[in-house]
Amino acid sequence: QVQLQESGPGLVEPSQTLSLTCTVSSGSITSANYYWSWIRQPAGKGLEWIGRIYSSGSTDYNPSLKSRVTISIDTSRNQFSLKLTSVTAADTAVYYCASATHYYSSYYFDYWGQGTLVTVSS
Amino acid sequence: DIQMTQSPSSLSASVTDRVTITCRASQRISTHLNWYQQKPGKAPKLLIYSASTLQSGVSSRFSGSGSGTDFTLTISSLQPEDFATYWCQQSFSTPQTFGPGTKLDVK
Repeated sequence: QVQLQESGPGLVEPSQTLSLTCTVSSGSITSANYYWSWIRQPAGKGLEWIGRIYSSGSTDYNPSLKSRVTISIDTSRNQFSLKLTSVTAADTAVYYCASATHYYSSYYFDYWGQGTLVTVSS
Repeated sequence: DIQMTQSPSSLSASVTDRVTITCRASQRISTHLNWYQQKPGKAPKLLIYSASTLQSGVSSRFSGSGSGTDFTLTISSLQPEDFATYWCQQSFSTPQTFGPGTKLDVK
């Protein structure tokens, strides 16, 4: 089964850029019917979808974050990445990468990374 | 954006109890509704997709139903490992949105 692992700095200063990478193993990031997503969760709160990318490079972003978010993909390394600019304390959260299966009319997050805590603080 | 609501927000129950959690969408989403279970410090785990399809490997005591705007997740006989937070999520349109969660704890 697909395995995902987030990596990146756990501490980012306010106004700087948050950068995370998700490495996909036991599966190809170019597999058909898979979208690759970022989802975050502030401590004790709900889940917020940040955006997704397909192997072709096509992206969709949450409008609430769209002006600050870039998701990219590196098929040669089986990785996809998140950049979130101009961060504030409100961006402090556990960040998950996840794969989403899109099969006929079904679309669901079936595999998740373990999550990585990113704290925005000086 | 499609807004998702869940009720109750928290629920206390006992082992072997039958439990039902409700999720409502702010507009019709057909059966584009998924359910996840999350335990503290862990990533969410997919339980049900497309409103009623049980994910492979998930216990058959979990079931889902509904279409349109109203959905339910039912646990037929609670087991100790089922105490967790449950989230619904709509996949009808982007941005995909999650409900506010239902925390299920021991009575």
